[in-house]
Amino acid sequence: DTAVSQTPKYLVTQMGNDKSIKCEQNLGHDTMYWYKQDSKKFLKIMFSYNNKELIINETVPNRFSPKSPDKAHLNLHINSLELGDSAVYFCASSQELAGDNEQFFGPGTRLTVL
Amino acid sequence: GQNIDQPTEMTATEGAIVQINCTYQTSGFNGLFWYQQHAGEAPTFLSYNVLDGLEEKGRFSSFLSRSKGYSYLLLKELQMKDSASYLCAVRTGRRALTFGSGTRLQVQP
Repeated sequence: DTAVSQTPKYLVTQMGNDKSIKCEQNLGHDTMYWYKQDSKKFLKIMFSYNNKELIINETVPNRFSPKSPDKAHLNLHINSLELGDSAVYFCASSQELAGDNEQFFGPGTRLTVL
Repeated sequence: GQNIDQPTEMTATEGAIVQINCTYQTSGFNGLFWYQQHAGEAPTFLSYNVLDGLEEKGRFSSFLSRSKGYSYLLLKELQMKDSASYLCAVRTGRRALTFGSGTRLQVQP
């Protein structure tokens, strides 16, 4: 059983389109995250939700909107896609109160904007 | 602001020992993490330090000095499968992790 799953794994789309990436975790964790990894391999936090509540919202264009229908799911919707949005997007989850707060990452979604 | 520095690339020989350094300057500190990421895959957790000293886990050890803002990851008895990127990350308060740019390690026969 996959602990953190994301769909789709690959996404190729045209500039200006709107797309969504879905994430689900079956670990019973209460905190979920979205990270963006660019071509230089920098992994940067975008959003974090704790029990469906947004707790971190880094400087991200408002074209990006996370949605957490329940604590096992955190989806990412992107409006009006731009070339610079091309990257690998990783979802992760952790247990907030756990000492080491180990984060488990999903397999990533490689987004290519043409 | 947050600043985390690691060497971009390192090369080592199979069977040898390699040390990957990480220095950080962050506002707040609540733990330092090392993750391994193979090309095209997700990062996977290796180690966690919140107190000064050495944490050992099999062939991998991680060291932390909070006063110096310094950590290292030590890999012993290198294997070809250890070729990967190693990411240093700092957690500040309840915030998510701030990652360094990663060190790409190439293990040669």
